[in-house]
Amino acid sequence: GENVEQHPSTLSVQEGDSAVIKCTYSDSASNYFPWYKQELGKGPQLIIDIRSNVGEKKDQRIAVTLNKTAKHFSLHITETQPEDSAVYFCAASNGTSYDKVIFGPGTSLSVIP
Amino acid sequence: DSGVTQTPKHLITATGQRVTLRCSPRSGDLSVYWYQQSLDQGLQFLIQYYNGEERAKGNILERFSAQQFPDLHSELNLSSLELGDSALYFCASSVGLGLYIQYFGAGTRLSVL
Repeated sequence: GENVEQHPSTLSVQEGDSAVIKCTYSDSASNYFPWYKQELGKGPQLIIDIRSNVGEKKDQRIAVTLNKTAKHFSLHITETQPEDSAVYFCAASNGTSYDKVIFGPGTSLSVIP
Repeated sequence: DSGVTQTPKHLITATGQRVTLRCSPRSGDLSVYWYQQSLDQGLQFLIQYYNGEERAKGNILERFSAQQFPDLHSELNLSSLELGDSALYFCASSVGLGLYIQYFGAGTRLSVL
C-alpha cells in the first residue's frame, strides 16, 4: 500500500523567512496530494491540494510542487507569520475518495517573531 | 469554526469500558468520516458514512462501530477499551462522495486509564 514520508519533523524559522516541507510517496498510481494545517486544539484543515496533472500550484503565500518522476512533493510557505505556527500534514491518494488518502507523520512548524 | 461539532471534547474512562463519541456534520453535508490520531500511528481513517449508509472502512477495529442517523449526525462507539485506544478522534464531513473539501471537527480526546 501507499506510504508517505515527511521531513523535517520539526522546523523553526524566523518571521518573514520561508519554510519548506518535503514529502515522498511510494505508490506511483497516487494522483491527489492534499496538505493540511492543524493548529493546537483544532482538527486538520485543508490548505492546498494538487493533482498529478499539475506540477505546481500557488495560493497567496503557499505553494505546492509535485515531481511525479521522483515521487515527491513539497509545501512552500513564504513570508512566514506567527499564525503559520502549526503542524502540517502532507497526504497522498491513488483513488477518488478519502478512504484512500494516506497521511504523512506531520511537521511541527514554529515561526519565531 | 469548521461547522462540524464533536462532543464531548474530553473523555476519561477505564479499560474494558464502552464510550460513544458524537459528531454533527456541517449543514448540508451528507458524508461523515471518522479518524483516529495517535502519536505512534498518526492520522488514520476509520470509517465513512454517506447519507446513512456505510461507504468505506479503513483500519477500524472490530471493537469499534459507527452509525449515521437520519438527521445525519454520527456516533462512533468504542467498546472493551484498551490503553492503546487513547487518542484523538476526529470527525470530518463533506458535501458528497469523492474528494470534496472535508471539514474537520475539533476532536474528542479519549484517555483510557
